[in-house]
Amino acid sequence: GAVVSQHPSWVICKSGTSVKIECRSLDFQATTMFWYRQFPKQSLMLMATSNEGSKATYEQGVEKDKFLINHASLTLSTLTVTSAHPEDSSFYICSARGGASGDYEQYFGPGTRLTVT
Amino acid sequence: DAKTTQPPSMDCAEGRAANLPCNHSTISGNEYVYWYRQIHSQGPQYIIHGLKNNETNEMASLIITEDRKSSTLILPHATLRDTAVYYCIVRGRSGSARQLTFGSGTQLTVLP
Repeated sequence: GAVVSQHPSWVICKSGTSVKIECRSLDFQATTMFWYRQFPKQSLMLMATSNEGSKATYEQGVEKDKFLINHASLTLSTLTVTSAHPEDSSFYICSARGGASGDYEQYFGPGTRLTVT
Repeated sequence: DAKTTQPPSMDCAEGRAANLPCNHSTISGNEYVYWYRQIHSQGPQYIIHGLKNNETNEMASLIITEDRKSSTLILPHATLRDTAVYYCIVRGRSGSARQLTFGSGTQLTVLP
């Protein structure tokens, strides 16, 4: 159980375009979802936290107008990178946490590799 | 959340036990020790967690010192597929538990 999926697994886009990444909890309801970003040879950095039905909370230095997060249901969160630039190229990883039954563990998706040309 | 310190890299021979240390000297009484690993270009994978007692599951064992200021993750029989970055994370687990915060981890390389 506790499977998190991401789609797409990789994407290449041109500079200036927008890209949407989906994160789904397949067998549990995720009251909270997290989005991380990882640059090559670096650790995961938390970008934002979102609770279902509420606006996301962004970490310091993360532009909320550039990285749009929607957590409209208990099983789906989306991250949209707007007007992407080459410096946005990174590995984006989502994580989901339940909570309804006291499960506070975080489960991670497989990640999405974004390359902006 | 308490900060952790891990060696940047370690090597281990295939079939041998891999012992990965972690220091968390500022851990508070209600914080758990979690271990995750990340194989190249994949999402983090949960390994094990504990509060103060030693824990064992099908993947690994977790040894936490009595003062809880350090711990060791043990992979009893390392295989080449265990090559990954291993993250030791300290986190509260209450209803208002915060998200997992990753440090730089230990790159474990299992050698044939």
